[in-house]
Amino acid sequence: AQSVSQHNHHVILSEAASLELGCNYSYGGTVNLFWYVQYPGQHLQLLLKYFSGDPLVKGIKGFEAEFIKSKFSFNLRKPSVQWSDTAEYFCAVNARAAGNKLTFGGGTRVLVKP
Amino acid sequence: DVKVTQSSRYLVKRTGEKVFLECVQDMDHENMFWYRQDPGLGLRLIYFSYDVKMKEKGDIPEGYSVSREKKERFSLILESASTNQTSMYLCASREDRAHEQYFGPGTRLTVT
Repeated sequence: AQSVSQHNHHVILSEAASLELGCNYSYGGTVNLFWYVQYPGQHLQLLLKYFSGDPLVKGIKGFEAEFIKSKFSFNLRKPSVQWSDTAEYFCAVNARAAGNKLTFGGGTRVLVKP
Repeated sequence: DVKVTQSSRYLVKRTGEKVFLECVQDMDHENMFWYRQDPGLGLRLIYFSYDVKMKEKGDIPEGYSVSREKKERFSLILESASTNQTSMYLCASREDRAHEQYFGPGTRLTVT
């Protein structure tokens, strides 16, 4: 069975600091990878996704993520965060053999201090 | 614009009550999903449906059932609510040939 782990449950940082959120998954086959974000009081929405090709993917709002197959990782980064990036971030994995099922990590709450 | 709506944002029920959570999507998506979201556990899949009247168990189906009589509507049923079912419930939908799931706003259910 596939599983996803996110390294940090809570992250606090100041505006303009760099952000990196770790995500590791356990599945040896072909995977689709996602980062979702949930801003306070809002729907869960897609930040970025990786299916194939360039392992460095760019998403909305200046976020990017790098797929490192050998490390089973898909870490999310942003060079300079803003107060509006305060949210909860979820990594998710869909093993293609698993069909419809998307497995989520436990989430990381990010608080950006103004 | 993609839209997934859920019948209630907040719900309070008593132990043993039968609870219905409704989800409607207006995108003609084939696939619909019910998750529960708990702190530190992320989202866990309860049930999903890939077509009308079709359903599949997710990772934590115990204590839940679902109904999909129409393509746009997917209902989650708690036959006899228990306090350990207090949680945030999220509905999502996905088109067959796509990978992105679109989420509703969630229903925060409290069982007392």
